[in-house]
Amino acid sequence: DAKTTQPTSMDCAEGRAANLPCNHSTISGNEYVYWYRQIHSQGPQYIIHGLKNNETNEMASLIITEDRKSSTLILPHATLRDTAVYYCIVRVASNQGGKLIFGQGTELSVKP
Amino acid sequence: DAGITQSPRYKITETGRQVTLMCHQTWSHSYMFWYRQDLGHGLRLIYYSAAADITDKGEVSDGYVVSRSKTENFPLTLESATRSQTSVYFCASRPGQGADSEAFFGQGTRLTVV
Repeated sequence: DAKTTQPTSMDCAEGRAANLPCNHSTISGNEYVYWYRQIHSQGPQYIIHGLKNNETNEMASLIITEDRKSSTLILPHATLRDTAVYYCIVRVASNQGGKLIFGQGTELSVKP
Repeated sequence: DAGITQSPRYKITETGRQVTLMCHQTWSHSYMFWYRQDLGHGLRLIYYSAAADITDKGEVSDGYVVSRSKTENFPLTLESATRSQTSVYFCASRPGQGADSEAFFGQGTRLTVV
């Protein structure tokens, strides 16, 4: 599974969009980009994933560059409850195996 | 109740003792995983299993043993606990079929080895 690089920490004002970058320059053509977050002391929670196209769900949007070497997770209107560590992970499709290997993640602090 | 549950939630044990952490999921997911998370760090994969009776080592498997005799259970055993194994342990599961599927995590077991 390809490795990812994320900033250690970021701040965001409440109500503003939070844009969390992730570099995955060694990603393979069959690897998906997944985002999880971990709120203090809880188990990680799935947010969104994508292969090539941009994706949006009720929680966030995922923007993947055309060369797939980087992506950005967007929380459109961050709230205090979005304060968490955000993990960007790349892995192969579920039916090809694909264990989740976590990096250090980005600690997002949403401030009033 | 549907979901993934870990037990116990908290455990204190002595150095050298054997301790087993339990993980149970009700979805019949093929894959199950064990992670440990040390204070201020990310999650590290200990063991994973693709199906019943199929297990494989992760990044930090030394000192741990797993079994998967039934699809829904994936116990993790510390054969002789050491202080360095003090950590929060998370279990996860996900379906094996389909091109893309999310993993679901338990609430964690906080283990302290004294």
